[in-house]
Amino acid sequence: GNSVTQMEGPVTLSEEAFLTINCTYTATGYPSLFWYVQYPGEGLQLLLKATKADDKGSNKGFEATYRKETTSFHLEKGSVQVSDSAVYFCAHVNGGSQGNLIFGKGTKLSVKP
Amino acid sequence: SAVISQKPSRDICQRGTSLTIQCQVDSQVTMMFWYRQQPGQSLTLIATANQGSEATYESGFVIDKFPISRPNLTFSTLTVSNMSPEDSSIYLCSLRDSAYGYTFGSGTRLTVV
Repeated sequence: GNSVTQMEGPVTLSEEAFLTINCTYTATGYPSLFWYVQYPGEGLQLLLKATKADDKGSNKGFEATYRKETTSFHLEKGSVQVSDSAVYFCAHVNGGSQGNLIFGKGTKLSVKP
Repeated sequence: SAVISQKPSRDICQRGTSLTIQCQVDSQVTMMFWYRQQPGQSLTLIATANQGSEATYESGFVIDKFPISRPNLTFSTLTVSNMSPEDSSIYLCSLRDSAYGYTFGSGTRLTVV
C-alpha cells in the first residue's frame, strides 16, 4: 500500500552544518510530495512541496527534488541554524478517493550552537 | 489559502468523559480530514468528512468512539468519546484548499487523566 519512509531520528547537528533527511515513498502513480515542519509546541506548517517529477521545492533555504526514478524526496539545507530545530515530516497525497496526506514517522532535528 | 480556527488548543480531561473539538474554516470546503498524532508519532488519518454525508473512517477508528459532525461547508467537529489515557494525543483537522494544497488547524493537545 501507499507509505512514506523517513530516516530515523533524532538528528543532531552543529550550527552551519549540512542537513539531509532522506524520504522515500510508495504510491500509485506520481503523487504530489510535501515536507511539513512542526516546531516545538506548535502546529504543522508546510515547508515545501513538489507536484511532478524533477520539480524542486524550496523555502527558507531548504530544498527537495522529486525523483521518480528513486521514488525519493530528500530534504536538504546547506547551513542549518538553531532555529531549524523541529520535527520534519515527509508526506504524499493518497491517490485513492480520500485525497488525504500520508505521512512518514517524522525526523527530529536538533541544531546545537 | 484557507485559514482554520481550531479549538480548544489544549485540554485535560477525566477518563470516561467526552471532548468535542471544533474547526471553523474561513471559506467553503468540500472535504475535511481529521488526524491523530500520538506522542512522538506521526499523523494518522482518523476519518474524512464530507458535508452532507457520513464521515468515512479509517481502519481502527469507529464512529461510536470518534463521532464527526459536518453541518456545513465551513465547520466540522470531532468528538473523542469515553476517553481513556490512551486517547492522549494531538488532534488536527485539515483541508485540501487548492490543487495539491493542504492546510492544518493548530491542533488540540488532549491529556486524559
